[in-house]
Amino acid sequence: KAGVTQTPRYLIKTRGQQVTLSCSPISGHRSVSWYQQTPGQGLQFLFEYFSETQRNKGNFPGRFSGRQFSNSRSEMNVSTLELGDSALYLCASSGGVLAGVWNEQFFGPGTRLTVL
Amino acid sequence: QQQVKQSPQSLIVQKGGISIINCAYENTAFDYFPWYQQFPGKGPALLIAIRPDVSEKKEGRFTISFNKSAKQFSLHIMDSQPGDSATYFCAAAGANNLFFGTGTRLTVIP
Repeated sequence: KAGVTQTPRYLIKTRGQQVTLSCSPISGHRSVSWYQQTPGQGLQFLFEYFSETQRNKGNFPGRFSGRQFSNSRSEMNVSTLELGDSALYLCASSGGVLAGVWNEQFFGPGTRLTVL
Repeated sequence: QQQVKQSPQSLIVQKGGISIINCAYENTAFDYFPWYQQFPGKGPALLIAIRPDVSEKKEGRFTISFNKSAKQFSLHIMDSQPGDSATYFCAAAGANNLFFGTGTRLTVIP
Protein backbone atom coordinates (compact mmCIF):
# COMPACT_ATOMS: atom_id res chain seq x y z
CA LYS A 1 0.00 0.00 0.00
CA ALA A 2 1.46 3.35 -0.99
CA GLY A 3 2.25 5.78 1.81
CA VAL A 4 1.30 9.40 2.21
CA THR A 5 2.66 11.50 -0.62
CA GLN A 6 3.28 15.22 -0.61
CA THR A 7 4.06 17.51 -3.49
CA PRO A 8 6.16 19.39 -4.12
CA ARG A 9 8.98 18.25 -1.85
CA TYR A 10 10.77 21.60 -1.97
CA LEU A 11 9.51 25.08 -2.69
CA ILE A 12 11.03 28.55 -2.66
CA LYS A 13 8.79 31.60 -2.53
CA THR A 14 9.20 35.27 -1.74
CA ARG A 15 7.44 37.32 0.90
CA GLY A 16 3.92 38.31 0.00
CA GLN A 17 3.35 35.42 -2.39
CA GLN A 18 0.96 32.59 -1.76
CA VAL A 19 1.60 28.87 -1.93
CA THR A 20 -0.42 25.68 -2.26
CA LEU A 21 0.82 22.34 -1.00
CA SER A 22 -0.73 18.99 -1.84
CA CYS A 23 -1.17 15.79 0.13
CA SER A 24 -2.45 12.42 -1.02
CA PRO A 25 -3.39 10.16 1.90
CA ILE A 26 -3.05 6.43 2.13
CA SER A 27 -5.76 4.73 0.11
CA GLY A 28 -8.89 4.35 2.22
CA HIS A 29 -7.90 6.98 4.77
CA ARG A 30 -10.41 9.75 5.15
CA SER A 31 -8.70 12.00 7.67
CA VAL A 32 -5.87 14.31 6.68
CA SER A 33 -4.03 16.52 9.16
CA TRP A 34 -1.45 19.20 8.48
CA TYR A 35 1.48 20.18 10.67
CA GLN A 36 4.20 22.82 10.60
CA GLN A 37 7.69 21.91 11.79
CA THR A 38 10.29 24.59 12.50
CA PRO A 39 13.49 24.58 14.58
CA GLY A 40 12.11 27.31 16.82
CA GLN A 41 8.50 26.26 17.38
CA GLY A 42 8.82 22.54 16.80
CA LEU A 43 5.89 20.53 15.51
CA GLN A 44 2.56 22.33 15.53
CA PHE A 45 -0.85 21.14 14.45
CA LEU A 46 -2.51 23.27 11.76
CA PHE A 47 -5.83 21.61 10.96
CA GLU A 48 -7.54 18.35 10.19
CA TYR A 49 -10.02 17.46 7.47
CA PHE A 50 -12.43 14.58 7.35
CA SER A 51 -14.89 13.96 4.54
CA GLU A 52 -14.19 17.36 2.96
CA THR A 53 -14.91 19.21 6.23
CA GLN A 54 -12.47 20.89 8.56
CA ARG A 55 -13.02 19.03 11.80
CA ASN A 56 -10.21 20.36 14.01
CA LYS A 57 -8.07 23.45 13.94
CA GLY A 58 -4.90 24.57 15.67
CA ASN A 59 -3.85 28.07 16.60
CA PHE A 60 -2.68 29.50 13.30
CA PRO A 61 -3.78 32.74 11.61
CA GLY A 62 -6.34 32.79 8.83
CA ARG A 63 -3.56 33.04 6.22
CA PHE A 64 -3.30 29.28 6.62
CA SER A 65 -6.19 27.45 5.06
CA GLY A 66 -6.93 24.09 3.59
CA ARG A 67 -9.43 21.95 1.84
CA GLN A 68 -10.14 18.34 1.13
CA PHE A 69 -11.53 16.82 -2.01
CA SER A 70 -13.96 13.96 -2.42
CA ASN A 71 -11.08 11.53 -3.02
CA SER A 72 -9.61 12.59 0.36
CA ARG A 73 -6.67 14.41 -1.22
CA SER A 74 -5.99 17.63 0.60
CA GLU A 75 -4.39 20.96 -0.18
CA MET A 76 -3.02 23.54 2.17
CA ASN A 77 -2.72 27.19 1.19
CA VAL A 78 -0.70 29.94 2.79
CA SER A 79 -1.39 33.47 1.60
CA THR A 80 0.77 36.56 2.00
CA LEU A 81 3.85 34.58 2.93
CA GLU A 82 6.10 35.79 5.73
CA LEU A 83 9.71 34.87 6.43
CA GLY A 84 8.55 33.00 9.52
CA ASP A 85 6.48 30.66 7.37
CA SER A 86 9.66 28.91 6.26
CA ALA A 87 9.20 25.40 7.57
CA LEU A 88 8.69 21.76 6.83
CA TYR A 89 4.98 21.19 6.26
CA LEU A 90 3.87 17.69 7.03
CA CYS A 91 0.61 16.00 6.36
CA ALA A 92 -0.62 12.84 8.00
CA SER A 93 -3.51 10.55 7.23
CA SER A 94 -5.49 8.21 9.41
CA GLY A 95 -8.52 5.98 9.10
CA GLY A 96 -10.84 8.64 10.46
CA VAL A 97 -13.97 8.21 12.54
CA LEU A 98 -13.45 4.91 14.25
CA ALA A 99 -9.68 5.08 14.32
CA GLY A 100 -9.76 8.42 16.05
CA VAL A 101 -8.13 11.50 14.62
CA TRP A 102 -4.80 11.04 16.32
CA ASN A 103 -4.59 7.27 16.33
CA GLU A 104 -2.40 5.53 13.81
CA GLN A 105 -1.48 8.64 11.91
CA PHE A 106 0.92 8.06 9.04
CA PHE A 107 3.04 11.01 8.06
CA GLY A 108 4.28 11.99 4.65
CA PRO A 109 7.86 13.15 4.01
CA GLY A 110 6.86 16.80 4.08
CA THR A 111 7.24 19.83 1.84
CA ARG A 112 10.18 22.08 2.66
CA LEU A 113 9.05 25.68 2.12
CA THR A 114 11.61 28.47 2.07
CA VAL A 115 10.39 32.05 2.07
CA LEU A 116 12.92 34.65 0.90
CA GLN B 1 2.74 28.36 26.61
CA GLN B 2 4.26 24.98 25.95
CA GLN B 3 1.51 22.40 26.48
CA VAL B 4 3.95 19.51 26.63
CA LYS B 5 7.44 19.84 28.12
CA GLN B 6 10.05 17.33 27.00
CA SER B 7 13.51 16.57 28.32
CA PRO B 8 16.33 16.12 27.71
CA GLN B 9 16.93 18.01 24.49
CA SER B 10 19.65 15.56 23.52
CA LEU B 11 20.79 12.21 24.79
CA ILE B 12 23.83 10.05 24.13
CA VAL B 13 23.65 6.41 25.11
CA GLN B 14 25.98 3.46 24.63
CA LYS B 15 24.77 0.54 22.58
CA GLY B 16 22.88 -1.84 24.83
CA GLY B 17 22.01 0.86 27.33
CA ILE B 18 18.63 2.27 28.33
CA SER B 19 17.42 5.54 26.84
CA ILE B 20 14.90 7.50 28.90
CA ILE B 21 12.98 10.53 27.67
CA ASN B 22 10.57 12.40 29.89
CA CYS B 23 7.51 14.51 29.19
CA ALA B 24 5.11 16.50 31.33
CA TYR B 25 1.76 18.08 30.59
CA GLU B 26 -0.70 20.36 32.34
CA ASN B 27 -4.07 19.84 30.69
CA THR B 28 -5.94 17.02 32.39
CA ALA B 29 -8.29 16.84 29.41
CA PHE B 30 -5.59 15.17 27.34
CA ASP B 31 -6.51 11.56 26.74
CA TYR B 32 -4.01 10.18 24.26
CA PHE B 33 -0.23 10.25 24.57
CA PRO B 34 1.77 9.10 21.54
CA TRP B 35 5.48 8.99 20.92
CA TYR B 36 6.92 9.60 17.48
CA GLN B 37 10.30 8.77 15.98
CA GLN B 38 11.72 10.93 13.24
CA PHE B 39 14.76 10.27 11.08
CA PRO B 40 16.42 13.08 9.11
CA GLY B 41 14.53 13.87 5.93
CA LYS B 42 11.53 11.81 6.96
CA GLY B 43 8.20 12.55 8.54
CA PRO B 44 7.55 11.37 12.11
CA ALA B 45 6.42 7.80 12.60
CA LEU B 46 4.18 6.65 15.42
CA LEU B 47 6.23 4.50 17.77
CA ILE B 48 3.94 3.70 20.67
CA ALA B 49 1.01 5.38 22.41
CA ILE B 50 -0.86 5.16 25.70
CA ARG B 51 -4.15 6.28 27.18
CA PRO B 52 -4.37 7.55 30.79
CA ASP B 53 -6.26 4.52 32.06
CA VAL B 54 -3.10 2.41 32.08
CA SER B 55 0.23 3.06 33.78
CA GLU B 56 2.51 1.22 31.40
CA LYS B 57 2.58 -0.07 27.86
CA LYS B 58 5.32 -2.14 26.32
CA GLU B 59 5.98 -2.92 22.69
CA GLY B 60 9.21 -4.77 22.05
CA ARG B 61 12.10 -2.69 23.36
CA PHE B 62 9.91 0.40 23.80
CA THR B 63 7.95 1.09 26.99
CA ILE B 64 5.80 4.04 27.99
CA SER B 65 5.42 4.73 31.69
CA PHE B 66 2.49 6.97 32.59
CA ASN B 67 1.91 8.76 35.89
CA LYS B 68 -1.50 10.38 35.78
CA SER B 69 -1.30 12.05 39.19
CA ALA B 70 2.04 13.66 38.35
CA LYS B 71 0.95 14.41 34.79
CA GLN B 72 4.13 12.88 33.47
CA PHE B 73 4.99 10.17 31.01
CA SER B 74 8.21 8.75 29.74
CA LEU B 75 9.65 6.60 26.98
CA HIS B 76 12.15 3.89 27.82
CA ILE B 77 14.17 2.29 25.05
CA MET B 78 15.79 -0.90 26.30
CA ASP B 79 18.91 -2.36 24.70
CA SER B 80 19.37 0.81 22.64
CA GLN B 81 20.83 0.26 19.18
CA PRO B 82 22.62 2.60 16.75
CA GLY B 83 19.57 2.29 14.48
CA ASP B 84 17.52 3.96 17.22
CA SER B 85 19.47 7.18 16.67
CA ALA B 86 16.74 9.65 15.74
CA THR B 87 14.69 12.50 17.16
CA TYR B 88 11.86 11.46 19.46
CA PHE B 89 8.76 13.53 20.10
CA CYS B 90 6.17 13.01 22.79
CA ALA B 91 2.71 14.42 22.25
CA ALA B 92 -0.57 14.85 24.04
CA ALA B 93 -3.97 14.97 22.42
CA GLY B 94 -7.33 16.23 23.50
CA ALA B 95 -10.54 16.28 21.55
CA ASN B 96 -9.51 18.87 19.02
CA ASN B 97 -5.78 19.34 19.08
CA LEU B 98 -2.48 17.52 19.29
CA PHE B 99 0.45 19.14 21.07
CA PHE B 100 4.04 18.03 20.64
CA GLY B 101 7.05 18.22 22.88
CA THR B 102 10.15 19.94 21.58
CA GLY B 103 11.93 16.71 20.72
CA THR B 104 14.92 14.73 21.98
CA ARG B 105 17.79 13.92 19.69
CA LEU B 106 19.01 10.47 20.65
CA THR B 107 22.44 9.23 19.61
CA VAL B 108 23.36 5.63 20.32
CA ILE B 109 27.10 5.04 20.22
CA PRO B 110 28.25 1.62 18.95
